[in-house]
Amino acid sequence: GQSLEQPSEVTAVEGAIVQINCTYQTSGFYGLSWYQQHDGGAPTFLSYNGLDGLEETGRFSSFLSRSDSYGYLLLQELQMKDSASYFCAVRDSSYKLIFGSGTRLLVRP
Amino acid sequence: EAGVTQFPSHSVIEKGQTVTLRCDPISGHDNLYWYRRVMGKEIKFLLHFVKESKQDESGMPNNRFLAERTGGTYSTLKVQPAELEDSGVYFCASSPRAGTGELFFGEGSRLTVL
Repeated sequence: GQSLEQPSEVTAVEGAIVQINCTYQTSGFYGLSWYQQHDGGAPTFLSYNGLDGLEETGRFSSFLSRSDSYGYLLLQELQMKDSASYFCAVRDSSYKLIFGSGTRLLVRP
Repeated sequence: EAGVTQFPSHSVIEKGQTVTLRCDPISGHDNLYWYRRVMGKEIKFLLHFVKESKQDESGMPNNRFLAERTGGTYSTLKVQPAELEDSGVYFCASSPRAGTGELFFGEGSRLTVL
């Protein structure tokens, strides 16, 4: 079967750093993506890792280790507006994205 | 440039009734996907169109669900007859090419079956 595991909920303080982990088991692997979704809104693309290593985009970074079937999203200098759900997603051999159940991030003042 | 739009944003129907959801992808995006999220679980893949052809419909739950994309533009997803377990948020997404990690999602159509 195909599965992606990520924590259901994470709480952090404004200005802090938080890491959201994702482990996966899929039939074929062609990259790991991260999406952000605010309540009632559309999931929005954040980052993509096709190869091992760290990708940085502003306050957000994403890491991938294909040998460990593991990746993470790192959010720095947390702001209140970062409170949202974050989904990891794997592109499998049939071109579709397989999503995890999402991690609800709550940023407190 | 307009994003992916979905209609209706929310639909409440009774068990046994029919509902049709519509998705207008970003203009020029040949790839259109339907996903569903039920009760805080994963965003689950339903199917993938390339233009008007069904590339992958392995995620469609059963034959009560029918998706079409006539002319390769907008798409509809019909549920007939609806069951209680069909409740959830149905997302549509599009992309200019297949095999990309970046999809452009709509805000979803929330379906409640009573």
